[in-house]
Amino acid sequence: EPEVTQTPSHQVTQMGQEVILRCVPISNHLYFYWYRQILGQKVEFLVSFYNNEISEKSEIFDDQFSVERPDGSNFTLKIRSTKLEDSAMYFCAGTSGTGIYEQYFGPGTRLTVT
Amino acid sequence: ILNVEQSPQSLHVQEGDSTNFTCSFPSSNFYALHWYRWETAKSPEALFVMTLNGDEKKKGRISATLNTKEGYSYLYIKGSQPEDSATYLCAFDSGGGADGLTFGKGTHLIIQP
Repeated sequence: EPEVTQTPSHQVTQMGQEVILRCVPISNHLYFYWYRQILGQKVEFLVSFYNNEISEKSEIFDDQFSVERPDGSNFTLKIRSTKLEDSAMYFCAGTSGTGIYEQYFGPGTRLTVT
Repeated sequence: ILNVEQSPQSLHVQEGDSTNFTCSFPSSNFYALHWYRWETAKSPEALFVMTLNGDEKKKGRISATLNTKEGYSYLYIKGSQPEDSATYLCAFDSGGGADGLTFGKGTHLIIQP
């Protein structure tokens, strides 16, 4: 069964450094999402991406964040200058289209900013 | 700000017992309600997507009901097994497609042999 993969599984970085989190969605999916979960809190929506551009973004997704799908397969989330409060589990998800579709999630990347 | 609440936060259940937990969500701007099962270090696994008031869905020993008018959904597990131990997340969908899901904090279920 096809699945969403994410790399790395765990990333440790110093405050102020740039990080890129990578996701390979399921091949026939069209909508892509990033979510994050700070330890002990709810999973929060960051951004959705369709047809090579951002569709929606939350208040969390400020100028420090960007997303890309450069080669039609990888979907990346970049954080330009990490802060301590960016430490969280970051999940990528995808769905095959609009309407009532399940979002399929990857296993997450745990980002630790020190 | 959408408020999605789940209760209880955690639950210990004896193997073989049945259990249920709740997700409450806004009754306005409702499009769908998603249930996920999440085991540590694995991907959250989609269990159900529910859209219609009165909807009831079943997958093996797990079932879910939906009341969109009062804004709640129940998840039931019949005859709990140790492999049911996981965090169960519900997520409110206000539009489908581009809109992200709004999650509850989850119910952490532990099945004791």
